[in-house]
Amino acid sequence: LAKTTQPISMDSYEGQEVNITCSHNNIATNDYITWYQQFPSQGPRFIIQGYKTKVTNEVASLFIPADRKSSTLSLPRVSLSDTAVYYCLVGNTGKLIFGQGTTLQVKP
Amino acid sequence: GAVVSQHPSWVICKSGTSVKIECRSLDFQATTMFWYRQFPKQSLMLMATSNEGSKATYEQGVEKDKFLINHASLTLSTLTVTSAHPEDSSFYICSAGDTPWEAGSTDTQYFGPGTRLTVL
Repeated sequence: LAKTTQPISMDSYEGQEVNITCSHNNIATNDYITWYQQFPSQGPRFIIQGYKTKVTNEVASLFIPADRKSSTLSLPRVSLSDTAVYYCLVGNTGKLIFGQGTTLQVKP
Repeated sequence: GAVVSQHPSWVICKSGTSVKIECRSLDFQATTMFWYRQFPKQSLMLMATSNEGSKATYEQGVEKDKFLINHASLTLSTLTVTSAHPEDSSFYICSAGDTPWEAGSTDTQYFGPGTRLTVL
């Protein structure tokens, strides 16, 4: 399973766009990139998944360059409720190996 | 969307007793389920993988005789912590997907809300 590297923490202010980048240099051809959000004492919540280029849904966008060795989760206009830990995972099965994730702190 | 529930949401037990945690997929059939544990301020650690109707596969370092997993139906998996001790106190989380765990599948995993286990 490909290893991922993310910043341990990030700070932002309400209303700003937040971009969290994840490195996955050893991503395999069949691997997909999935991002989850976790609040304290809750299970992770699926945010977005992609294979290449750009994917957008109602809560986020995922940008994946052509070499797929990294990906960027973009959260538009964050609010205080977006304060959470964000995990980037890479794989092609349901088996997920979690890294440390990025703790995002949104300030008023 | 796909919903996964867990029961109980929290449990307190005495050392030496066994505790069963249930994981249910509410609106889809889960041929695979995964169990994780999470200690405070740490990431999720995969404990085991189970396919419906077959034995669970445990990750290295996880005692299969201590953490009994049963996935007898397409909507229910149970994790039993046997002879629990204070060091087993943790947050246990399950996830479920609707395709078998095998290379080439890209099923999205949906997580339960977690179960907080405290062993006194």
